[in-house]
Amino acid sequence: DAKTTQPNSMESNEEEPVHLPCNHSTISGTDYIHWYRQLPSQGPEYVIHGLTSNVNNRMASLAIAEDRKSSTLILHRATLRDAAVYYCILRKGSSNTGKLIFGQGTTLQVKP
Amino acid sequence: ETGVTQSPTHLIKTRGQQVTLRCSSQSGHNTVSWYQQALGQGPQFIFQYYREEENGRGNFPPRFSGLQFPNYSSELNVNALELDDSALYLCASSSVEPTDTQYFGPGTRLTVL
Repeated sequence: DAKTTQPNSMESNEEEPVHLPCNHSTISGTDYIHWYRQLPSQGPEYVIHGLTSNVNNRMASLAIAEDRKSSTLILHRATLRDAAVYYCILRKGSSNTGKLIFGQGTTLQVKP
Repeated sequence: ETGVTQSPTHLIKTRGQQVTLRCSSQSGHNTVSWYQQALGQGPQFIFQYYREEENGRGNFPPRFSGLQFPNYSSELNVNALELDDSALYLCASSSVEPTDTQYFGPGTRLTVL
């Protein structure tokens, strides 16, 4: 299974944009890039996913490098509620199990 | 629409005992995945059930077993509990295909003494 690398922690100020990076240099052509986040004392929550093109939804944007070896999750205006552990996950498009392989994730702190 | 629910919320067992954890999937979802999350770590995939059959398993010993019922709810059973089994056990459901987005429950916190 391809591996992802994320910074252990990041800080942001409230109402400012946040860019969370993820490296996945061994990604294969059929791997989807998924982002989940886990708020304190809760189960993980789906944020966004993509394959090759940049993606936007109501929660965030996902920018995928042209060579697909890295991606960035963008929170346009951080709120205190966005403080969480953010996981970048590669999911095999060729697999029928859909299992998610979580790494350590990035702990995001949002300061008021 | 009801989300994923898990029971019990917390559980304390002693080494060697057996435990059963329960999960009710989100309405309309036919796939349930189970994960173990040790303190300070990311969740680890245990196994997945799709239409009542096991559909993939992670690197966990056979004493971790599961079931999925006709209403798509699920159970995780752990026999011969060990101290290292202390963790948050998460259940996630997804719709239609096993590869769709997974929706997680709040988890069951298991403590093994």
